[in-house]
Amino acid sequence: DTGVSQNPRHKITKRGQNVTFRCDPISEHNRLYWYRQTLGQGPEFLTYFQNEAQLEKSRLLSDRFSAERPKGSFSTLEIQRTEQGDSAMYLCASSWSGEQFFGPGTRLTVL
Amino acid sequence: KNEVEQSPQNLTAQEGEFITINCSYSVGISALHWLQQHPGGGIVSLFMLSSGKKKHGRLIATINIQEKHSSLHITASHPRDSAVYICAGGGADGLTFGKGTHLIIQP
Repeated sequence: DTGVSQNPRHKITKRGQNVTFRCDPISEHNRLYWYRQTLGQGPEFLTYFQNEAQLEKSRLLSDRFSAERPKGSFSTLEIQRTEQGDSAMYLCASSWSGEQFFGPGTRLTVL
Repeated sequence: KNEVEQSPQNLTAQEGEFITINCSYSVGISALHWLQQHPGGGIVSLFMLSSGKKKHGRLIATINIQEKHSSLHITASHPRDSAVYICAGGGADGLTFGKGTHLIIQP
């Protein structure tokens, strides 16, 4: 399967812990996006990369959120000091020509 | 106020009916995307369009740039079409999403 993959698929953590999610895009795609989706809502944009450059990060939800794409391939999204309000589905998508291909998401539950 | 508005929020129809979902946007976009999300499932891109009309099987998407409006049509609807349909606008720097239309097609 050469689609977008995300790991883990599910993460349960206690409030205050740090979590890190990984996204592996389609290999030839240069753009990678992170979105968050809460129950019953459409996704909201968090950040994106073109190759290894993070071109937009002002919409990350707080300074507890950070993302990296060190070699222009896979990306990680880290949330420090998690809060219950961080519970959501975190989606990754990649693209080459504009159409975005989405991964299955990582569902985060913060207890 | 969301910059991408969809209607209706919920739609229940009988198998075979012609379905229309509408999307209005207030931001400048380079493309309008229609996406499908099944319960507990990932998101699948249906269409990306910047003008005119596209067709794929029983699905048709149209966009009117001047009116900042797009529609997604499903002909001969089937229960397997039941899903959330999401409209999103934007460009290479990320998408702004509508809240989605929850479609149920009853047999």
